[in-house]
Amino acid sequence: DVKVTQSSRYLVKRTGEKVFLECVQDMDHENMFWYRQDPGLGLRLIYFSYDVKMKEKGDIPEGYSVSREKKERFSLILESASTNQTSMYLCASSLPLTGLGSPLHFGNGTRLTVT
Amino acid sequence: KQEVTQIPAALSVPEGENLVLNCSFTDSAIYNLQWFRQDPGKGLTSLLLIQSSQREQTSGRLNASLDKSSGRSTLYIAASQPGDSATYLCAVKPGAGSYQLTFGKGTKLSVIP
Repeated sequence: DVKVTQSSRYLVKRTGEKVFLECVQDMDHENMFWYRQDPGLGLRLIYFSYDVKMKEKGDIPEGYSVSREKKERFSLILESASTNQTSMYLCASSLPLTGLGSPLHFGNGTRLTVT
Repeated sequence: KQEVTQIPAALSVPEGENLVLNCSFTDSAIYNLQWFRQDPGKGLTSLLLIQSSQREQTSGRLNASLDKSSGRSTLYIAASQPGDSATYLCAVKPGAGSYQLTFGKGTKLSVIP
């Protein structure tokens, strides 16, 4: 079974802090994604990566950056946390686009609160 | 722009009942559609993935169907159990070359013992 592990289940940070959210997958997946999930807004894509050191902006990249130095690890960085970044953050991975289409596998999420 | 709608937002049924969850999408040019389950405070678990060329997929008590021309998918759950209580989300992939999925907001299912 694919395992996507997010390093923290809950985080509380102060406004202005730099925040790192870490995600590791163990299935050698090329694609990795960061979403945030908010009540009434659903899931929104922040960034994704289709290869090491490659990244693409999703729908809401403002205020975030990412890092993918190794295939199995994808980090989301909040350069200067703000209260409107309080949310549930979900990491996901999948195989490449070729073939019949690969299911998306999610981690358990990190509930971030910025005070 | 693709929009995905799931109605109703919440559903409550007695244990043992068969039920259908609905997912509709505005652009029929999709590559595949995926159904997920989300337990409170947790991530999403993939249940079924239907390719655009398929009409349905089955896994145990779950059956998902796809009608691209009408922009609809249904998730059928047979003999519901309290453990099926969760939020169910559908997501569509617009094309083979696209990385992005468009998610519905989900239907929260409660199965009452």
